[in-house]
Amino acid sequence: NAGVTQTPKFRVLKTGQSMTLLCAQDMNHEYMYWYRQDPGMGLRLIHYSVGEGTTAKGEVPDGYNVSRLKKQNFLLGLESAAPSQTSVYFCASSYSGKNTGELFFGEGSRLTVL
Amino acid sequence: AQKITQTQPGMFVQEKEAVTLDCTYDTSDPSYGLFWYKQPSSGEMIFLIYQGSYDQQNATEGRYSLNFQKARKSANLVISASQLGDSAMYFCAMRDTGRRALTFGSGTRLQVQP
Repeated sequence: NAGVTQTPKFRVLKTGQSMTLLCAQDMNHEYMYWYRQDPGMGLRLIHYSVGEGTTAKGEVPDGYNVSRLKKQNFLLGLESAAPSQTSVYFCASSYSGKNTGELFFGEGSRLTVL
Repeated sequence: AQKITQTQPGMFVQEKEAVTLDCTYDTSDPSYGLFWYKQPSSGEMIFLIYQGSYDQQNATEGRYSLNFQKARKSANLVISASQLGDSAMYFCAMRDTGRRALTFGSGTRLQVQP
């Protein structure tokens, strides 16, 4: 089972460049999330989606855009990368039914902005 | 707004001993869920245990148990019989009922010594 897959795993950008991180899940989950992880700060929510065609802002949305055109995919875009966006990015998904609401995470994508 | 506090940046424990990782939370929601995740040095996020706010008994999963004290707003993770493979970062998190996203604490790095 693939679960949640993120591509690419590593990327180095120059300031001002753009890029897109792709997240794909094969568990038919309604909810999907993008987090960033920085040392000493845990994981912080960037954007999330409660279903196909919907997106919403999390705690740290500035500088990022997202799209959920297909239920299984959730894309995170950086239009003009900044050094402050150097981080490890995690995608996650969860089931919308009555359960614990456990998040299933991808392996993470390490982004460095020079 | 929800908040998770983990006051122990780092902890040491001897192999085969028990260890408690502290977590306190703050929320105005009457219904919420509390989670613990493990992040080994390889970087993936591994779900360990879940406690619902209305659960009468403390959650247990193998060597992991969650010491839930609702009045004190604490949800400490207890690992019994520590193993070398338990060395990792541990994150406490809380789910809000609306977005179903998780709010994470800053984490505790546990090192198990032989």
